[in-house]
Amino acid sequence: AQSVTQPDIHITVSEGASLELRCNYSYGATPYLFWYVQSPGQGLQLLLKYFSGDTLVQGIKGFEAEFKRSQSSFNLRKPSVHWSDAAEYFCAVEANAGNMLTFGGGTRLMVKP
Amino acid sequence: ETGVTQSPTHLIKTRGQQVTLRCSSQSGHNTVSWYQQALGQGPQFIFQYYREEENGRGNFPPRFSGLQFPNYSSELNVNALELDDSALYLCASSPMGGRQETQYFGPGTRLLVL
Repeated sequence: AQSVTQPDIHITVSEGASLELRCNYSYGATPYLFWYVQSPGQGLQLLLKYFSGDTLVQGIKGFEAEFKRSQSSFNLRKPSVHWSDAAEYFCAVEANAGNMLTFGGGTRLMVKP
Repeated sequence: ETGVTQSPTHLIKTRGQQVTLRCSSQSGHNTVSWYQQALGQGPQFIFQYYREEENGRGNFPPRFSGLQFPNYSSELNVNALELDDSALYLCASSPMGGRQETQYFGPGTRLLVL
């Protein structure tokens, strides 16, 4: 069965600093990978997704993620964080059948002024 | 284009009661999935419905059941509520339920079981 690990429960960065959120997955076949963001009191919004091809994926709000098969990782990055990026971020892998998602435990991002 | 909507936004029940949560899919989507998100955790897949049939189920007991209607709206029913059922319940819709499709999430229903 597939699984997703987000090693960092909380991360605090200063506004304008760069950001990297880690995601490791366990999946037997070619993974379909997603990053979602959840702001307080809201549902999940898709930031980006990886299915195949170029391992560097661009998303919304200036985010990007890099798929590294050898490390079973799909880390999310942003070169310059804005205060509005403070939220919870979830990495997910899609199951073999249908499009059921398995999520990691999430990383809560706090942004210092 | 209307997004995914869920009702109610908040709900308080007591242990042993039954609850029904509702979801309206995004226009044109015929697949709906339900997830449970306990406090401080990532969402966990409950089940998925495609064209009114259950299309997959996660590791949840039978007291969690669902329905999808001809207009592709959906209900999640939970019987014999337990304290651990307290969570945010998220509904997500997608066009066809196939791989590589984006799931669009609603804002969720927060359920508290006392």
